[in-house]
Amino acid sequence: AQRVTQPEKLLSVFKGAPVELKCNYSYSGSPELFWYVQYSRQRLQLLLRHISRESIKGFTADLNKGETSFHLKKPFAQEEDSAMYYCALAPPGGSYIPTFGRGTSLIVHP
Amino acid sequence: DAGVIQSPRHEVTEMGQEVTLRCKPISGHNSLFWYRQTMMRGLELLIYFNNNVPIDDSGMPEDRFSAKMPNASFSTLKIQPSEPRDSAVYFCASSADREIQYFGAGTRLSVL
Repeated sequence: AQRVTQPEKLLSVFKGAPVELKCNYSYSGSPELFWYVQYSRQRLQLLLRHISRESIKGFTADLNKGETSFHLKKPFAQEEDSAMYYCALAPPGGSYIPTFGRGTSLIVHP
Repeated sequence: DAGVIQSPRHEVTEMGQEVTLRCKPISGHNSLFWYRQTMMRGLELLIYFNNNVPIDDSGMPEDRFSAKMPNASFSTLKIQPSEPRDSAVYFCASSADREIQYFGAGTRLSVL
């Protein structure tokens, strides 16, 4: 069975501090991994996906197959990064139905 | 395109009443998803349609919940009768084949 675990419900940091939002997954194979973000009063939207290997708004995420992790990182947090972050997994091939983690609320203090 | 459109944005109802949530997917998308978001359980997939056909409804919590997609541009999620524990934010999302999902703004449901 596929599963996504985000161990932290809440992460609180100060502006300028490094941020790492943890995501571990369980899947026998090579899934696609994503990070979605939900800013206050806005809809959920895709932040980045591992196959793109890109940096969005200063965030990066590296897929570590050995540790089955896809942690989201940013070297210097900004107040506007405060949001709810969801890690998601989708199986390769077939129907495209992501499994979401429970989410981590990031609060960046000034 | 205006994106995925959900209505109403907020719904307050009394226990036992019927609640109908509506969703208009992005034109051209052939997959539609209904999710429920709560503090305790995060984002849960309720049901998934592909080409208007329900493919996976294993996430629908009880028989009180039902969903329909009569055509490619409209879907409903109905709760009858509603209960206080149904209070949550309900999201609709749509996607084209093998592409990322686009979410609506959600409906915040409060059952008193």
